[in-house]
Amino acid sequence: DAGVTQSPTHLIKTRGQQVTLRCSPKSGHDTVSWYQQALGQGPQFIFQYYEEEERQRGNFPDRFSGHQFPNYSSELNVNALLLGDSALYLCASSFAPTGTSSGNTIYFGEGSWLTVV
Amino acid sequence: EDQVTQSPEALRLQEGESSSLNCSYTVSGLRGLFWYRQDPGKGPEFLFTLYSAGEEKEKERLKATLTKKESFLHITAPKPEDSATYLCAPKAAGNKLTFGGGTRVLVKP
Repeated sequence: DAGVTQSPTHLIKTRGQQVTLRCSPKSGHDTVSWYQQALGQGPQFIFQYYEEEERQRGNFPDRFSGHQFPNYSSELNVNALLLGDSALYLCASSFAPTGTSSGNTIYFGEGSWLTVV
Repeated sequence: EDQVTQSPEALRLQEGESSSLNCSYTVSGLRGLFWYRQDPGKGPEFLFTLYSAGEEKEKERLKATLTKKESFLHITAPKPEDSATYLCAPKAAGNKLTFGGGTRVLVKP
């Protein structure tokens, strides 16, 4: 059973460029969330996708956008890259929460390291 | 605004020296609290989920407990392979996790 897979693992971009990161959720999961983790800090929630729509969003500018495909995989796009966007980008997958359901483990991929120079 | 504070920020232990990590939180609509382990350069690895005050869960040398405003991760007789960053993350409605800054644990042989 494949876990959460992300690509690419590492990439280097120049300020002002655009980047696309990809994520395939764990088998059977239908919800994908993206997190940004700066060096030495905890992950910060960017947004979440379910049924191909953005359901929740954290405190990130519109330069961060995403997409979810019918097979539940997802992309994170960042436009007009800034030096401060350098971070580990993590994808998390889970089942969609239903009502007050709390029994739902959230798994993370190994992340994509983005360096902006 | 949801807030999570982990303490201490870093912990150096001798092999076999037990200790506890603290996670204090203020989260609206709490739906559970997650603990993860993260090795350098890797994604967080799931350890536990706790859902209600008083609940405890154990895995090898780790035990997690939960109160209404705090969670503790107890490490009993740690080994060098327990060295990692431990992250706590309360979950609000919709599966959104709010992470603390983590506690970096180093266990020396």
